[in-house]
Amino acid sequence: GAGVSQSPRYKVAKRGQDVALRCDPISGHVSLFWYQQALGQGPEFLTYFQNEAQLDKSGLPSDRFFAERPEGSVSTLKIQRTQQEDSAVYLCASSRRTRTSGSTDTQYFGPGTRLTVL
Amino acid sequence: TQLLEQSPQFLSIQEGENLTVYCNSSSVFSSLQWYRQEPGEGPVLLVTVVTGGEVKKLKRLTFQFGDARKDSSLHITAAQPGDTGLYLCAGARDSNYQLIWGAGTKLIIKP
Repeated sequence: GAGVSQSPRYKVAKRGQDVALRCDPISGHVSLFWYQQALGQGPEFLTYFQNEAQLDKSGLPSDRFFAERPEGSVSTLKIQRTQQEDSAVYLCASSRRTRTSGSTDTQYFGPGTRLTVL
Repeated sequence: TQLLEQSPQFLSIQEGENLTVYCNSSSVFSSLQWYRQEPGEGPVLLVTVVTGGEVKKLKRLTFQFGDARKDSSLHITAAQPGDTGLYLCAGARDSNYQLIWGAGTKLIIKP
């Protein structure tokens, strides 16, 4: 079956512009994660959805970042008034089960969206 | 502050050589995962280790979880150019589904 897809793959924005990044998870996957990966670094957690509920947004770096998953499938990460420090690859991952205590469900990652803010 | 330290950050070796990548922390993890990421792609899970002292093998790759569950290693035997990529470790804690990621080891295998 299809994996996680993300669009656009590349986005160039001028400083101050708003951007919207889309994630299509694997069908039926309950959990959805957004990560930010700076050049030469590992991913950093941004936010987590269980179905349509955003259960954790502790990793969002500022109130300019907003994520939603209104119908429990497709998710959108929106960044308002982009800044140069927002330049990074934004990764989306989905997993089959909920994140219960002690579980290590496999996360399947999309290819990411490379955002460059000029 | 990087809670998971990976070393080396960069490694370039000839095809056929052996190598070991390390993932160290002062924190205890309930499990630790190793991923490989290629340019323009997302990370792909290689293995999950759960038990202290556990050793798992995946063809020429051997993964070990430290006895105290604070560190892990990835050993590659007779490296091939196809092993080239960014290797990431990520730790999980019982009470939190968030993965703690290392910064990665960029591995280049020259033919």
